[in-house]
Amino acid sequence: DIQMTQSPSSLSASVGERVTITCRAGQNINNYLNWYQQKPGKAPKLLIYAASTLQSGVSSRFRGGGSGTDFTLTINSLQPEDFATYYCQQGFRTPITFGQGTRLEIK
Amino acid sequence: QLQLQESGPRLVRPSETLSLTCTVSGGSISSTNDYWGWIRQPPGKGLEWIGRTHYSGSAYYNPSLKSRVTISVDTSKNQFSLKLTSVTAADTAVYYCATVSFKELSLDYWGQGALVTVSS
Repeated sequence: DIQMTQSPSSLSASVGERVTITCRAGQNINNYLNWYQQKPGKAPKLLIYAASTLQSGVSSRFRGGGSGTDFTLTINSLQPEDFATYYCQQGFRTPITFGQGTRLEIK
Repeated sequence: QLQLQESGPRLVRPSETLSLTCTVSGGSISSTNDYWGWIRQPPGKGLEWIGRTHYSGSAYYNPSLKSRVTISVDTSKNQFSLKLTSVTAADTAVYYCATVSFKELSLDYWGQGALVTVSS
């Protein structure tokens, strides 16, 4: 299985700030990297697929980057609704695997 | 827009079989080459991929669960189903059904989730 490692595991930030979450794959996955946002009691929501393509309807404050083994999710100008847990997921090879999650909290 | 809804028993006894069904609305399960998948999330923990099926009936399972899992599809009812045998407390989780894109294997549409508790 391809191991996915996110950092940090948790993060505190203020409204209006910019934050970056990192995801590292255990091997080259080209750009087969997807990002999700999950709020308490809700299903995850796809934000970005293929490393940098914004899912329809998702705010342009979210930006994905990277390729190969190292990827980033950047959220610009944090809004109150952005405080949630974020997961990366590789789609390069089955079984699909996820990062352990990054919890973004309000400072 | 596609909508997915999980249904099935929320309490299962240890050693028995967990069975869930995902009903798809807003589109036909057989009108796309995308896959239909199951994911679970133990309380307070991360996401685990269980497996996926295709309207043709072909299925792929996570090797960690392969010996206990069956995912099937019923195109006439626009549903797909999960069966997990010989459950233990470690199988207690929220179970989600989702669409799985053919190309990126991204999970585009999700059900709301069903918390299944394994307990006697």
